[in-house]
Amino acid sequence: ILNVEQSPQSLHVQEGDSTNFTCSFPSSNFYALHWYRWETAKSPEALFVMTLNGDEKKKGRISATLNTKEGYSYLYIKGSQPEDSATYLCASPKGSARQLTFGSGTQLTVLP
Amino acid sequence: NAGVMQNPRHLVRRRGQEARLRCSPMKGHSHVYWYRQLPEEGLKFMVYLQKENIIDESGMPKERFSAEFPKEGPSILRIQQVVRGDSAAYFCASSPGGPNYGYTFGSGTRLTVV
Repeated sequence: ILNVEQSPQSLHVQEGDSTNFTCSFPSSNFYALHWYRWETAKSPEALFVMTLNGDEKKKGRISATLNTKEGYSYLYIKGSQPEDSATYLCASPKGSARQLTFGSGTQLTVLP
Repeated sequence: NAGVMQNPRHLVRRRGQEARLRCSPMKGHSHVYWYRQLPEEGLKFMVYLQKENIIDESGMPKERFSAEFPKEGPSILRIQQVVRGDSAAYFCASSPGGPNYGYTFGSGTRLTVV
């Protein structure tokens, strides 16, 4: 993996369903992995910053895991609600850069 | 704590004019990042600055684009002689340090070139 990649590109789930999506990133020279939520007409909002292999973070119904050796992170949402509808971005520094490179995002729509 | 302030929110320029986009970082944040979102695309890195220094401008076009973050005042992204392809949303973010810190984003400036 040379870039930050996310899958799926979009996802529709029913209210109450649990869901998860994936972020893949370059595992060499790993420094940090960020997750952001971006609601329509707003600006991206930080959810998690993860730095250690095996890290697990939780914020309400949203949690994330990190595997730096294989270069992936999962974001989980338990019991999705319509207000969870947003684009979820992951980001990581690329190579020796200190700034974040963002993935294209997973657009989540939660249907009532 | 006012967060990251960007202005203007919307900017319309005719081809050939100059566009100046301003970003005041969150209080206590000395690292500023500019990203561009072209229509139907994600956030693309442009430039990373600390007070009075450009740390990385590898994502910024070499022609017509410049950025600064002076000792006093906001960070400025300047686009000279704008073209239609410059139409995009420009987001500024700030953080107190390096990649271990989450970014706080501004609301963005939507530039339209007519």
